[in-house]
Amino acid sequence: DAGVIQSPRHEVTEMGQEVTLRCKPISGHDYLFWYRQTMMRGLELLIYFNNNVPIDDSGMPEDRFSAKMPNASFSTLKIQPSEPRDSAVYFCASSLGALGAFFGQGTRLTVV
Amino acid sequence: AQTVTQSQPEMSVQEAETVTLSCTYDTSESDYYLFWYKQPPSRQMILVIRQEAYKQQNATENRFSVNFQKAAKSFSLKISDSQLGDAAMYFCAYMPMDSNYQLIWGAGTKLIIKP
Repeated sequence: DAGVIQSPRHEVTEMGQEVTLRCKPISGHDYLFWYRQTMMRGLELLIYFNNNVPIDDSGMPEDRFSAKMPNASFSTLKIQPSEPRDSAVYFCASSLGALGAFFGQGTRLTVV
Repeated sequence: AQTVTQSQPEMSVQEAETVTLSCTYDTSESDYYLFWYKQPPSRQMILVIRQEAYKQQNATENRFSVNFQKAAKSFSLKISDSQLGDAAMYFCAYMPMDSNYQLIWGAGTKLIIKP
């Protein structure tokens, strides 16, 4: 398996623009997690899905953030409109039960 | 509240030596899982080792091993024969049984390898 695949690896956008981050989880994994990592706040869980259904989105910072998982092999995290304070590394991870989360390479988002 | 504490923000070790990274956690649960993740400069989070709390035997993966002390709520990571490629941030994580497999993270320890 190729592991968790995220795209793009890097994204630079202007404030106010819409940003869409994409994730393909490991085939067969039933949980998908979106994290954000910053120097100030460390690793934060934004939202997670079980069998494509959102379970807990309490970590989503604002209504500007939304996430979808239309099928078992694809998920998106959208920020609209983006702001400079959204600049961070965004990770997608998938897991099968308690084996532990397997992470993608992350998307480094810079909002200028 | 369940928390994970990594008391060493930074550690350094000479290449080929052994280093131990500390992790403690706070929980009232008896069954759970513990993990160590490595984040090298490439930034991808890599699962290093996993421990099931109901197993007394310490987990081992090649040069990586843990010292799991359940009563003390301690879960340290030992890296033997340190290599330059081991330089990274190391994160300890705790997974309660009833958490929908969510992880509770420590703040991380930066490991520096001296050649």
